[in-house]
Amino acid sequence: GQNIDQPTEMTATEGAIVQINCTYQTSGFNGLFWYQQHAGEAPTFLSYNVLDGLEEKGRFSSFLSRSKGYSYLLLKELQMKDSASYLCAVRDSNYQLIWGAGTKLIIKP
Amino acid sequence: IAGITQAPTSQILAAGRRMTLRCTQDMRHNAMYWYRQDLGLGLRLIHYSNTAGTTGKGEVPDGYSVSRANTDDFPLTLASAVPSQTSVYFCASADSPNNEQFFGPGTRLTVL
Repeated sequence: GQNIDQPTEMTATEGAIVQINCTYQTSGFNGLFWYQQHAGEAPTFLSYNVLDGLEEKGRFSSFLSRSKGYSYLLLKELQMKDSASYLCAVRDSNYQLIWGAGTKLIIKP
Repeated sequence: IAGITQAPTSQILAAGRRMTLRCTQDMRHNAMYWYRQDLGLGLRLIHYSNTAGTTGKGEVPDGYSVSRANTDDFPLTLASAVPSQTSVYFCASADSPNNEQFFGPGTRLTVL
């Protein structure tokens, strides 16, 4: 079967750094996506990894290790507006996205 | 219209009724998708369309149908709603199946 695992909830402090992990087992791999979803809103695209390594985009970075079936999203200089759910999704051999249940990130002052 | 829109925003529906959720995008994207999102579960793909005139089944297609008569519109129909179809429904589009998906604001559907 196909499976995406993420922690259900994480708490961090404003100004700090947090790492959200994602492990996956899918039928094929054609890229991994991270999306942000604020409560009651639609998911919005954050990052995409298809090759091993780190992709940096401002305060957000995403890492991929295909051999380990593992990715993480790193958020630096946390702001209160970063309180949201972070969704990991893997594109499988059929080019369909398989989604994790999401990690709810709570930022405290 | 800018981006992708969905209608209605929310709906309460009696079981057994027929319902069509509307989705329209103005980005000329080829690919469109319908997902449902339930608490504690990831987004689950219901149906998709890689280009106008074609559709495919996703992970949870039973009880739902779609059509793609043109590039912009991708309606989702529940032929006879059941309470287990209570969910938030998101429509998404992408310029190709290889690229990131853009999501509509969602429709919150309650079936009683």
